[in-house]
Amino acid sequence: DVKVTQSSRYLVKRTGEKVFLECVQDMDHENMFWYRQDPGLGLRLIYFSYDVKMKEKGDIPEGYSVSREKKERFSLILESASTNQTSMYLCASVSTGVPEAFFGQGTRLTVV
Amino acid sequence: GESVGLHLPTLSVQEGDNSIINCAYSNSASDYFIWYKQESGKGPQFIIDIRSNMDKRQGQRVTVLLNKTVKHLSLQIAATQPGDSAVYFCAVNNAGNMLTFGGGTRLMVKP
Repeated sequence: DVKVTQSSRYLVKRTGEKVFLECVQDMDHENMFWYRQDPGLGLRLIYFSYDVKMKEKGDIPEGYSVSREKKERFSLILESASTNQTSMYLCASVSTGVPEAFFGQGTRLTVV
Repeated sequence: GESVGLHLPTLSVQEGDNSIINCAYSNSASDYFIWYKQESGKGPQFIIDIRSNMDKRQGQRVTVLLNKTVKHLSLQIAATQPGDSAVYFCAVNNAGNMLTFGGGTRLMVKP
């Protein structure tokens, strides 16, 4: 059974904190994505990576960075958390052949 | 870039009725389309996909219809059950493995 695992289901952080969201996939996929999901706005792409140490900005990269040191792990970093980054964060993994995305269970981040 | 829209944010149906969820896309070069189901507290899960060389594909109780002329995609759920209550997203591929997602339609099934 394929699996994408996000390290936390729920997180509460303070404004200004540095926040790490971790995502691990066991499917040997090249492509990994970070989305945020907000009511009425759907899934918006923050960053993606198509190979180890490679990263590309998505539609809303401001305030975020990413790290992909190993193929199976893709980390999203909030350098200085702000209240407008309160959201559901979803990690997805996609194979090169067929662009079907497998999602993690999501991390609901609240910044206070 | 790609924009993907959904016609209704919420759809309420009676248990046992058929449900139809619609999606419009803008990029005529898109060639792969997926429907996802997201239950409360979970990540989206794959339901069914269709490639642009097809106009209809059926799964178990679900059918996806693709009309490339008007760039429209629909998901039909037969004999809707309470377990079908969820948010449904369409996704459309752009270049390579990039997917653009619609805003989601919440399906509510009334007993």
